[in-house]
Amino acid sequence: EADIYQTPRYLVIGTGKKITLECSQTMGHDKMYWYQQDPGMELHLIHYSYGVNSTEKGDLSSESTVSRIRTEHFPLTLESARPSHTSQYLCASSASGRTTEAFFGQGTRLTVV
Amino acid sequence: GDSVTQMEGPVTLSEEAFLTINCTYTATGYPSLFWYVQYPGEGLQLLLKATKADDKGSNKGFEATYRKETTSFHLEKGSVQVSDSAVYFCALRSGAGSYQLTFGKGTKLSVIP
Repeated sequence: EADIYQTPRYLVIGTGKKITLECSQTMGHDKMYWYQQDPGMELHLIHYSYGVNSTEKGDLSSESTVSRIRTEHFPLTLESARPSHTSQYLCASSASGRTTEAFFGQGTRLTVV
Repeated sequence: GDSVTQMEGPVTLSEEAFLTINCTYTATGYPSLFWYVQYPGEGLQLLLKATKADDKGSNKGFEATYRKETTSFHLEKGSVQVSDSAVYFCALRSGAGSYQLTFGKGTKLSVIP
């Protein structure tokens, strides 16, 4: 079983609110990722981190921000939620190396009304 | 850059039918290849992987062979069940540089009784 957790699983929130999606892993992985998944299922990398105090933007531009103060924790924050932010957000982690797989959390389904 | 192309869905099969989902890739170096599965409302789970040419990954009756000469990693199962209904993602981890993960767009499989 993968030890990576996302909270909340589901969130319905009003426009303009600040939200933080939590992601934690207990595997000691250096690398962590945030993906946005659209209704057509495609995954879009929005942020990644290769270690503490390291964060980079992914392929898809996002208004969200991330931080990596501790190895196990990689929260994603939206300062002012909008309906266009409605989506499924998936967090993942992996060890370093060419052959290592990524482990995914169960996702957060965000709806902004 | 690296890329993964997998057959577009949705794919609908009758129970006990043979399944093939095609996946081809372009990558630098010697990538590792993965198949992930996503059940409704869940995150992605690793289904199988192969880390070098001619390796065969297998799990739960699914299998895929790393074909370097055709740059392919097709997923097959001899007899699908209703419980196999899910979205399947082909992915690679680059064999060079930062070992970045790249996913295909996903193929939705529906198995009907």
